[in-house]
Amino acid sequence: KAGVTQTPRYLIKTRGQQVTLSCSPISGHRSVSWYQQTPGQGLQFLFEYFSETQRNKGNFPGRFSGRQFSNSRSEMNVSTLELGDSALYLCASQTGGSEAKNIQYFGAGTRLSVL
Amino acid sequence: AQRVTQPEKLLSVFKGAPVELKCNYSYSGSPELFWYVQYSRQRLQLLLRHISRESIKGFTADLNKGETSFHLKKPFAQEEDSAMYYCALKAGGTSYGKLTFGQGTILTVHP
Repeated sequence: KAGVTQTPRYLIKTRGQQVTLSCSPISGHRSVSWYQQTPGQGLQFLFEYFSETQRNKGNFPGRFSGRQFSNSRSEMNVSTLELGDSALYLCASQTGGSEAKNIQYFGAGTRLSVL
Repeated sequence: AQRVTQPEKLLSVFKGAPVELKCNYSYSGSPELFWYVQYSRQRLQLLLRHISRESIKGFTADLNKGETSFHLKKPFAQEEDSAMYYCALKAGGTSYGKLTFGQGTILTVHP
């Protein structure tokens, strides 16, 4: 089974621009969660999508948004980029149900640098 | 709101020595606790979860609800255990795909 795939792996943007990151979950997984990882704040939850609906949301400004498609692939968008948005963005997929096997599998991440 | 604290940012031990990575949490309900590990140049991966009550790569962790702790232990550390370790919590109710992570502990095992 292919793992969680994130594209692109690296991105360089300038302040004020917007960016879209993509995540393809493991086949059969219907839930995708996004996290921001920085040296100062560690891993912070952004949001989770399940069956094309946002099911959970973290404490990030509205500039951070996401969506999920019918094939469970997910995108996150950051508008009006700020220097502080420079981070590694991780996505994780899971089946999405309440069964005991429902654990999160992580992608390799997208490294975003904002100049 | 839930919180996970890993008090040690760095931990160094010698090969063959016991190792304990500490994790404390605050949450009023019944949480599900995990340990994730990230080896150099690899993605974050699950090491173990408390409901499985299993030993993975010689590591064990017991959930202590009285002390709100979920410490990770291994009796004899190996060099290949050197990695970043994260403790994570999933709250009950509608938390589904939301994990709250600690700040992580970098474990270095010296030969």
